[in-house]
Amino acid sequence: SSELTQDPAVSVALGQTVRITCQGDSLRSYYASWYQQKPGQAPVLVIYGKNNRPSGIPDRFSGSSSGNTASLTITGAQAEDEADYYCNSRDSSGNHPLYVFGTGTKVTVL
Amino acid sequence: EVQLVESGGGLVKPGGSLRLSCAASGFTFSNYSMNWVRQAPGKGLEWVSSISSGSTYMYYADSVKGRFTISRDNAKSSLYLQMNSLRAEDTAVYYCARDLAGLYYFDHWGQGTLAAVSS
Repeated sequence: SSELTQDPAVSVALGQTVRITCQGDSLRSYYASWYQQKPGQAPVLVIYGKNNRPSGIPDRFSGSSSGNTASLTITGAQAEDEADYYCNSRDSSGNHPLYVFGTGTKVTVL
Repeated sequence: EVQLVESGGGLVKPGGSLRLSCAASGFTFSNYSMNWVRQAPGKGLEWVSSISSGSTYMYYADSVKGRFTISRDNAKSSLYLQMNSLRAEDTAVYYCARDLAGLYYFDHWGQGTLAAVSS
């Protein structure tokens, strides 16, 4: 089955830009979606498709993809962006698993 | 407003069973595929199972195949996960999440229900 690899942790100064990456073979066939999860809360979709934001997600969140790597960029990070971020895609290696999640990246805003 | 509310979690001994439910509201439930995603304490997200809008297709992670069964009742706008032969490693918060078939992302999630497996 496919795997999606993320850096475990990154930090960003308040107001600066941070990029979170997600690598995996399935990303050559399917777009990644990105989820923000704050402690004790359910995940929230922040980016889907080529670079789409659900209603209510600030435009400082953007997504991109190249080859086997998808990226989530937060431009002008805010204190409230401190959270865990997970990528996800449809699996391309066969029937199972249907979906695969990345290992997660903890973003700290300094 | 889309709402997904899970219930049915609790403490169960290894080898036991639990049935999780997810009550949906605020959208036409029968138009969406539905999923269970779990998160073990302090760990990342793990996709568990998916069911198509009309229950034609069901998929499972290898870690739960043969032990868990996903089902839905469109008339009741409800999703279920029957979990049998539970193991300690099944301890997790279980989330239900919806996706529109073919788009491959989960746009709404419930708040989760904790299933704990311990002797």
